[in-house]
Amino acid sequence: NAGVTQTPKFQVLKTGQSMTLQCAQDMNHEYMSWYRQDPGMGLRLIHYSVGAGITDQGEVPNGYNVSRSTTEDFPLRLLSAAPSQTSVYFCASSSPRTDYANTGELFFGEGSRLTVL
Amino acid sequence: ELKVEQNPLFLSMQEGKNYTIYCNYSTTSDRLYWYRQDPGKSLESLFVLLSNGAVKQEGRLMASLDTKARLSTLHITAAVHDLSATYFCAVEITFGNEKLTFGTGTRLTIIP
Repeated sequence: NAGVTQTPKFQVLKTGQSMTLQCAQDMNHEYMSWYRQDPGMGLRLIHYSVGAGITDQGEVPNGYNVSRSTTEDFPLRLLSAAPSQTSVYFCASSSPRTDYANTGELFFGEGSRLTVL
Repeated sequence: ELKVEQNPLFLSMQEGKNYTIYCNYSTTSDRLYWYRQDPGKSLESLFVLLSNGAVKQEGRLMASLDTKARLSTLHITAAVHDLSATYFCAVEITFGNEKLTFGTGTRLTIIP
């Protein structure tokens, strides 16, 4: 089972460059999200999607763009990279909790470590 | 704005000892999650606590939830080296919201 797959695992960018972090899941999960992890700050939600064609902002959306054209894929775009975007990025997915009994736990990818010089 | 605080942030303990990690949150929450992260790795789900008074146990780890106190605990019994990791709690604001707010994490190191 592939689960949640993120690419690339490592990336170095120069300030001002753009790039896309890819995320794909094969569990037919409707909910997908992007978090960034910085030392001492836990994980912070960047953007999330509750289904194809629907996206919304999280806690720290500035400088990032997302789209959800299919259930499986949820790419994260950095429009003009800045050193403050140096971080580890995690994509996560979960099945919709249509009733209270569903746990809603997130399944995480392996992470993408991004350095912006 | 929901705030989730964990303490301690760092914990170094000897094998065989017991200890507790605390997770406090600032507003009423629907449910609470505990995750484990090994260095350089992804996050792994440990427990999902769905209601007040919920208690879950897996091996040497036991998690509990007190929604009235807005507090969850992760208790470690007779620690072993394999439990060395960073532990995160995460809180969901409302049912169906699908957004989690994570604590800052507790880095646990078990010393032989």
